[in-house]
Amino acid sequence: AQSVAQPEDQVNVAEGNPLTVKCTYSVSGNPYLFWYVQYPNRGLQFLLKYITGDNLVKGSYGFEAEFNKSQTSFHLKKPSALVSDSALYFCAVRPLSSASKIIFGSGTRLSIRP
Amino acid sequence: GAGVSQSPRYKVAKRGQDVALRCDPISGHVSLFWYQQALGQGPEFLTYFQNEAQLDKSGLPSDRFFAERPEGSVSTLKIQRTQQEDSAVYLCASSLGLAGGETQYFGPGTRLLVL
Repeated sequence: AQSVAQPEDQVNVAEGNPLTVKCTYSVSGNPYLFWYVQYPNRGLQFLLKYITGDNLVKGSYGFEAEFNKSQTSFHLKKPSALVSDSALYFCAVRPLSSASKIIFGSGTRLSIRP
Repeated sequence: GAGVSQSPRYKVAKRGQDVALRCDPISGHVSLFWYQQALGQGPEFLTYFQNEAQLDKSGLPSDRFFAERPEGSVSTLKIQRTQQEDSAVYLCASSLGLAGGETQYFGPGTRLLVL
């Protein structure tokens, strides 16, 4: 079955420190990969995506993600965390075999302490 | 520019009542998607439209759920005879084109509570 795993329900980081939010996937072929962020009472906001090409993708708000085909991972990273980065982060994949469906992970709550 | 909008933002329904949730996609976006997000979970795909054609409804949980997009713009998700397990946030998303790598832009969602 096709799936996305976010192994950490919560990640706690001190402001100014680097952060990583992990994501692994299990789909056939090379999927399209996405990261979204969700703030309270708001919809999902697009952060970045991997389609093809350079494995390191840069996105909004200083976030970046690295596609690792051998490990089937797409971890989200930021060199220096801000308190305002505190939110719920979702990794998502769209299999090449799917004309429409995006499969989301269960989410990781990122908490940045001052 | 305007993003995806959804109405109502909140809906309380009594069990057995019918509800209709509206989505206004970004102007010119061909593709429209509905997702259901249960508390503490990631969104789960419900259905997909390409213009007015509903091309995938594999995620609709039962025949009580029905979606339409008659003119290829605004979409309505209807839930008949609501049940408590239908309580969730219903998210609508749209994307400009048809390519698999297109970014989906999400609305704020409609939070449905069935009592």
